[in-house]
Amino acid sequence: QQQVKQSPQSLIVQKGGISIINCAYENTAFDYFPWYQQFPGKGPALLIAIRPDVSEKKEGRFTISFNKSAKQFSLHIMDSQPGDSATYFCAASSPQYSGAGSYQLTFGKGTKLSVIP
Amino acid sequence: DSGVTQTPKHLITATGQRVTLRCSPRSGDLSVYWYQQSLDQGLQFLIQYYNGEERAKGNILERFSAQQFPDLHSELNLSSLELGDSALYFCASSFGWASGGSDTQYFGPGTRLTVL
Repeated sequence: QQQVKQSPQSLIVQKGGISIINCAYENTAFDYFPWYQQFPGKGPALLIAIRPDVSEKKEGRFTISFNKSAKQFSLHIMDSQPGDSATYFCAASSPQYSGAGSYQLTFGKGTKLSVIP
Repeated sequence: DSGVTQTPKHLITATGQRVTLRCSPRSGDLSVYWYQQSLDQGLQFLIQYYNGEERAKGNILERFSAQQFPDLHSELNLSSLELGDSALYFCASSFGWASGGSDTQYFGPGTRLTVL
């Protein structure tokens, strides 16, 4: 059972355009929602993350919008650049407190973004 | 560079064999997570260790096992390998304790396993 659904699977955007990737989750215990960026041959790298007590978080050209009631969140990349071409993963975690925390991530299936000049 | 190292980078082996993947976490991190990345399943959590003890288990097969040593490096052992075990295996590390429910995980470059 996939707990985090991500769409679209692939996305082609022109340079300077806005890239939008959407995710939906089912588990209401999730309370931390990071986005990871992965380039070919590399491991995923944290891009930006949000907690459900805020509806939006912006870091540079990257913005997460969060809708708790709809159990959806999205990544917006403004002024998309060819260097943004990568695979983007949304993820979610819920703390499982038993002494030190366990914050295992449940990932969406990824979106391959291509930004064309 | 995340500060997490993984060896080897590539591994090619035959069905039925056993392999060991190694991970060294970032300095100061106590938690190590293992993930498997395949084309059809995406990134799947396998297992987590915190300061030498198993903390959480995900979709890890019984043929797979892991441990974290006193120096905090971790090894993932895969045995009786099948063609379907071919994948990228990532290790991630984190401090392991967070107030407020978030604890950033930093991923290593991965080990690409090919089972022939």
